[in-house]
Parts: sequence; structure tokens; C-alpha cells
Amino acid sequence: TQLLEQSPQFLSIQEGENLTVYCNSSSVFSSLQWYRQEPGEGPVLLVTVVTGGEVKKLKRLTFQFGDARKDSSLHITAAQPGDTGLYLCAGRDFGNEKLTFGTGTRLTIIP
Amino acid sequence: DTEVTQTPKHLVMGMTNKKSLKCEQHMGHRAMYWYKQKAKKPPELMFVYSYEKLSINESVPSRFSPECPNSSLLNLHLHALQPEDSALYLCASSWTSGNTVGSYEQYFGPGTRLTVT
Repeated sequence: TQLLEQSPQFLSIQEGENLTVYCNSSSVFSSLQWYRQEPGEGPVLLVTVVTGGEVKKLKRLTFQFGDARKDSSLHITAAQPGDTGLYLCAGRDFGNEKLTFGTGTRLTIIP
Repeated sequence: DTEVTQTPKHLVMGMTNKKSLKCEQHMGHRAMYWYKQKAKKPPELMFVYSYEKLSINESVPSRFSPECPNSSLLNLHLHALQPEDSALYLCASSWTSGNTVGSYEQYFGPGTRLTVT
């Protein structure tokens, strides 16, 4: 069974601070996706990274895929209250549609 | 349009009831998924349909019965559920052909909050 461990599990910081969330596995994935989920809602896709070492930016969010395609990070610059939510990484198996979700990071930005 | 819709939004059912959850997408996706999510946990995959055929069943109990009537619709039939089956049930869809980046990006619906009493 593939496992994706996220750290930290919980993070509460002041508005304007920077933060990094990590997603680690011993398995290699063909691609990795990051989602944000609000309470009682479905996850919303933020980004997909495919190539080892790939870096993608989405406004104040920077996503990186590890060189070996086993890990990923999400960095948020100048966090805002609207960034509050559950952040989930999800790795895709080779050759099928199956996604394995990470353990999740619950982020709270304090105004 | 990247919308996946799910009905109902909330469902309360007894252990002897039979109910169905519905999911619909009009993005032309040919893969559809059911996930179960307990509070404070990540989604857990239940079933995958690819081209209207069941391709993955993650050893889900038979009291959950999926159905894919056509490429836009996905149902989950529920019968004789247990209180521990109470959870948020999420539907998702994606492209399935080829190996391009966007092929497997999954788009989720808002979920059905199920309570079994």
C-alpha cells in the first residue's frame, strides 16, 4: 500500500507569514496533485506536477515535485485568511486512474 | 465548465433503508469515482468506473452498490448500512485516455453528507 505523509498535520500562523507544507512517500508516482478542501465541500484541484524537479507557481503558491518523484512541497508566501483550509496532496499510480491521498494539512491563517 | 454535481446534499437514513446517491458531470470525462471521507481524514477511494465499466473496487462491502448508467451519470446504491458508514461521500471525474498531464486530473463534486441512524 502506498502512503503519502504530510507535515505538519496542523499549522496556525498569522496573516502575512510564509509557510511550507511537505508531502513525502517511499513510492514513486507518475504525477502528483495538490487540492484544497473547505469544510463540508469537495476538494478543489490547485495544481498537477509531473516531471521530477518541476516547479509551478500559482500566484502566492509555489509547488515543487521532488527529483525522484516521491515527494512534493507547497510554499505559500504572505498567507491570507482565504488560504485557510485542508491541503491534500495526492499521488497518481502508473498506468491507472487511482489517486492515493496524503494525510492532509489543516491550515489556519489568523487575521 | 468543470462542475460535478451531487444529490442530495444531505441524507439521513435508517439501517434498514434503501437510498441512492447521484453524481453527474458534463465535461465529457470517461472516468468517474466514488470516495468516502470521514471527519478529519483524507478521502478514501471506493470505486472507479472507466468507460462505464467498473475498473477498481477497493474491497468495498456489498451494502454499497455502484452503477454507471451512462458516461455522465454515476450512482451509489445504499442498503442495510451501519452507523459507521456515516461520512461525506464524494464523486469525482477525469479524462482517462492517454498519458497527458490533464488525463487524470480529478474534479470533485461538493459531496453528500450521509448520516446512518
